[in-house]
Amino acid sequence: EVQLVESGGGLVQPGGSLRLSCAASGFTFSSYWMTWVRQAPGKGLEWVANIKRDGSEKYYMDSVKGRFTISRDNVKNSLYLQMNSLSAEDSALYYCARVTVAGVFNYYYMDVWGTGAMVTVSS
Amino acid sequence: DTQMTQSPSSLSASVGDRVTITCQASQSVSSHLNWYQQKLGKAPKLLIYAASSLQSGVPSRFSGSGSGTDFTLTISSLQPEDFATYYCQQSYTTPVTFGQGTKLEIK
Repeated sequence: EVQLVESGGGLVQPGGSLRLSCAASGFTFSSYWMTWVRQAPGKGLEWVANIKRDGSEKYYMDSVKGRFTISRDNVKNSLYLQMNSLSAEDSALYYCARVTVAGVFNYYYMDVWGTGAMVTVSS
Repeated sequence: DTQMTQSPSSLSASVGDRVTITCQASQSVSSHLNWYQQKLGKAPKLLIYAASSLQSGVPSRFSGSGSGTDFTLTISSLQPEDFATYYCQQSYTTPVTFGQGTKLEIK
């Protein structure tokens, strides 16, 4: 069964750090781009970052550049999100998702999602 | 950034109704447009990719159309399990951006 399971969420004080992990199973992890998407309580979906199959390319939303780092370990079939200098605006449910890039025109879509890890930034 | 605007933001409909949700991009995204369904307390689920391609396992009552800046998601005959929030998402430019969501409720 294709599965993604996030861990590492929790309560952290403003200015603090947290590292999220996402364990992948049931597919060849190293063959896929991966991404993090977040959702604040009662709000919509917001893309955070993504990473190429071999980790050689990484992209971030503007508001997390310089604070968040996406990485992966293709031996451990795991995706990570290191989050530093956290603020209340970063409080959200963080999903990891598998990205399929397909077709001549490189259509990019998130076809497998984890259940999410909740991050709460509060004093 | 490419802004995605969905309409309506919420919609009440009955089982068996035909429902259409629209998504407009602030600039052309060609056919790089995806639709997701999210039920309360659950992760999003991919329904449609590349504007009109049905994801494996998704019922054929779901369909997508459009290109450029204007897109639609249509549910041909609403079923009880379709009541959820729907999001469009463009993947033509970085950052990837989502619409604000359309909440589909039971009338």
